[in-house]
Amino acid sequence: AQSVTQLDSHVSVSEGTPVLLRCNYSSSYSPSLFWYVQHPNKGLQLLLKYTSAATLVKGINGFEAEFKKSETSFHLTKPSAHMSDAAEYFCVVSRPLKTSYDKVIFGPGTSLSVIP
Amino acid sequence: DTGVSQDPRHKITKRGQNVTFRCDPISEHNRLYWYRQTLGQGPEFLTYFQNEAQLEKSRLLSDRFSAERPKGSFSTLEIQRTEQGDSAMYLCASSPHNTEAFFGQGTRLTVV
Repeated sequence: AQSVTQLDSHVSVSEGTPVLLRCNYSSSYSPSLFWYVQHPNKGLQLLLKYTSAATLVKGINGFEAEFKKSETSFHLTKPSAHMSDAAEYFCVVSRPLKTSYDKVIFGPGTSLSVIP
Repeated sequence: DTGVSQDPRHKITKRGQNVTFRCDPISEHNRLYWYRQTLGQGPEFLTYFQNEAQLEKSRLLSDRFSAERPKGSFSTLEIQRTEQGDSAMYLCASSPHNTEAFFGQGTRLTVV
């Protein structure tokens, strides 16, 4: 069984300050993990993915995430927030990608606000 | 635009009416997925096609829901006798073999 928890439903940061969006997962096998971003009226966009290679994963737009097996976490970070980062962020856990994508589990999402 | 395309973007319907949504996946993606997203929640898996074969259906997909992908290209999702609880964003995604999926912008359904 798999599950994913996003510890904050809403995060607010000032422009130029660091972003931390927290994600913890539960999985009975070594999972693949993703972060997706959803801007208003736009489709879900993949930010980054972890698939059992390097534990520190770099994504688009300056985001990165670190897989920590001992803490079952996959937190998303960015050194400096930009106004355009304001969106909904989803942490996703799945079986290893050798299986189909129907087994993915989305977290409930974290809404990120960026204050000018 | 070569991304996943969904039509319509918005649909308002009266309770009890039937609605049909269309999804055009990225060309040559053999896998196509439907998800439902309600307000304040992450997307939930509904069903999945590999080419024209429907391989998996979630328990969320009641008998009033049916999905097809007749030629292994575009897909339709029909909801019969809509209920207010069907109000949600319906997302389509596609992928090639064993990689992450690419999502469309979704169809927002409002049942009044």
